[in-house]
Amino acid sequence: AQSVTQLDSQVPVFEEAPVELRCNYSSSVSVYLFWYVQYPNQGLQLLLKYLSGSTLVKGINGFEAEFNKSQTSFHLRKPSVHISDTAEYFCAVIRFEAGRRALTFGSGTRLQVQP
Amino acid sequence: DGGITQSPKYLFRKEGQNVTLSCEQNLNHDAMYWYRQDPGQGLRLIYYSQIVNDFQKGDIAEGYSVSREKKESFPLTVTSAQKNPTAFYLCASAGSTNYGYTFGSGTRLTVV
Repeated sequence: AQSVTQLDSQVPVFEEAPVELRCNYSSSVSVYLFWYVQYPNQGLQLLLKYLSGSTLVKGINGFEAEFNKSQTSFHLRKPSVHISDTAEYFCAVIRFEAGRRALTFGSGTRLQVQP
Repeated sequence: DGGITQSPKYLFRKEGQNVTLSCEQNLNHDAMYWYRQDPGQGLRLIYYSQIVNDFQKGDIAEGYSVSREKKESFPLTVTSAQKNPTAFYLCASAGSTNYGYTFGSGTRLTVV
């Protein structure tokens, strides 16, 4: 069963506009949630993570995400995007099963910021 | 600086050949992971290792093999049995006491 679903494969947005990238997770997995960013031909960089505590998580580069248990969502937001935010964004959750602890990723959302 | 080093950055392989991708970390992390990335599919787990001399299959292990003889190193071999090996491969590591996963910069493998 899919553990993480990213609802949009591509999100075009104009510079300085707000953006929301959507992520829903399966209620059967843990609630350790992550957002990563990937620039072309590079590895993944952690934007933010939710492990416990406040449901509003602030990350790097002005991004934030809100953990919503009732809607099983962890949407990523930024109030004003820049051209440099153009990248692929991945939502991920930790799966614990049979002694395994590993990140499981959504299929990614490509954010395209236009001037 | 601590981190993960993957080499080479680009790798070309002829059909029928085995190739080995290198992953080295100096973060003193116990766990290491290999992921495969294809367009539109996110990252899929190939193999992982929670401790030296032990490793487990992930979701798409067929056609791959690994070893974990040292804490710092987790090489991945793409064998000739892997039917569609062209992809971007990412290595990651994680400590046992927190949930901070660190990723390498990846190796792009192309079969020619």
